[in-house]
Order: sequence, then C-alpha cells, then structure tokens
Amino acid sequence: QKEVEQNSGPLSVPEGAIASLNCTYSDRVSQSFFWYRQYSGKSPELIMSIYSNGDKEDGRFTAQLNKASQYVSLLIRDSQPSDSATYLCAVKDQGAQKLVFGQGTRLTINP
Amino acid sequence: GAVVSQHPSRVICKSGTSVKIECRSLDFQATTMFWYRQFPKKSLMLMATSNEGSKATYEQGVEKDKFLINHASLTLSTLTVTSAHPEDSSFYICSARSGVDTEAFFGQGTRLTVV
Repeated sequence: QKEVEQNSGPLSVPEGAIASLNCTYSDRVSQSFFWYRQYSGKSPELIMSIYSNGDKEDGRFTAQLNKASQYVSLLIRDSQPSDSATYLCAVKDQGAQKLVFGQGTRLTINP
Repeated sequence: GAVVSQHPSRVICKSGTSVKIECRSLDFQATTMFWYRQFPKKSLMLMATSNEGSKATYEQGVEKDKFLINHASLTLSTLTVTSAHPEDSSFYICSARSGVDTEAFFGQGTRLTVV
C-alpha cells in the first residue's frame, strides 16, 4: 500500500514568517510530486509540481524534493493570512494513472 | 494552469432520484479524468479513474452501478449518482489531465445534498 504522510496540523505561523510543510512517501519509484492548496469548501488548486531532486521556486513558494530520504516539502515565505488553507501533498509513479494524496496539513497564518 | 469546469456547483435532490455532475476540460484534451469525494475535514477519496472511450476503473468499495461514469469525449466526463440517499451527500470533485505524466487540474467541485 503506497502511503503519503503529512502532519494534519493545525500549523500556526505568524504573518510574515516562513511556513514549512512536510510530506513523506513510502514508494521509492515515485517520480512526480505535487502540492495543492485547498480552501475550506473549495476544490484543490495546484500550486507547485516538482520532479527532480533539489529546490524549485515560484514566487513565495519553494518546493524541495529529496528522493533519497523520500520527502518533499513546501516553504511559503512572507506568509499572508490568505495562505491559510489545507495543503495537500500528492505523489505519482511514472506511468501510473492516479495520484496518491496525503491527508493534508491545515495551515493558519496569524495576523 | 489549465481550466476544468464542473457543473453544477451545488445541488439538492430528493432521496431516490438521480443526479448528474459534469466535468469539462475547457482548454485541453483530457485523456484521463478522476472522480473524488470528500467528507468534511477529510482528504480526497478517489472513486474512479476514467479514460476517454473506455470503461471507468472503480476503486475498491465504490459501487459502479450506483456511481455511473461516462467519458465519451476528450473534454467531458459525467458522474451520475443513481437512486441517491442521504449518505451520498458529499463534496464531489473531478480532476483531469492531458497525459499520463502531466499535471492534474481540479474542477470547482459539486456539493450534493440528498434530502
């Protein structure tokens, strides 16, 4: 059974600080990694994808992938109250049909 | 990102009736679409995977005769909840992607309430 693990939180971060979200996965052949943001009552929105070891930056977001340690993380710099949401980590094997989702981490940015 | 449109966003129906939910990819051809349901404060539960022109693959425990999925074109998949019961009330979300190793994008979701 392939598993993707996230701390469910809630994770509270003061406004302006860096929010760090972590995700571990069990399947070593996983090739594609995604971070989705989901606001309450809304559907998930893709914010980052990463496929290679290292860092990938997009605006205030940085995804970090370490395949040897089987973890992927998301850093949010200069956190804003609008970043308050549940963040879902998703993993996919190359050629596989479906994504495997973690249970999500609820992030709250405190003004 | 690519646009996936789901309709309706909210529906209330009576027990015993059927409800159809549409999922459309607006600016790309979706070779694969996925249907999820989500309970409050829970993660997504994959119900089925559908590939254009072929039968959907249902996850274990999902009744295929109750949740009918049709993916007749590269831009449209439908989920029909047949003979709905109050326990079918949930948030149903579709996602779509153009290729096996491409990103998947979600529709807006449909909140179904069965009374």
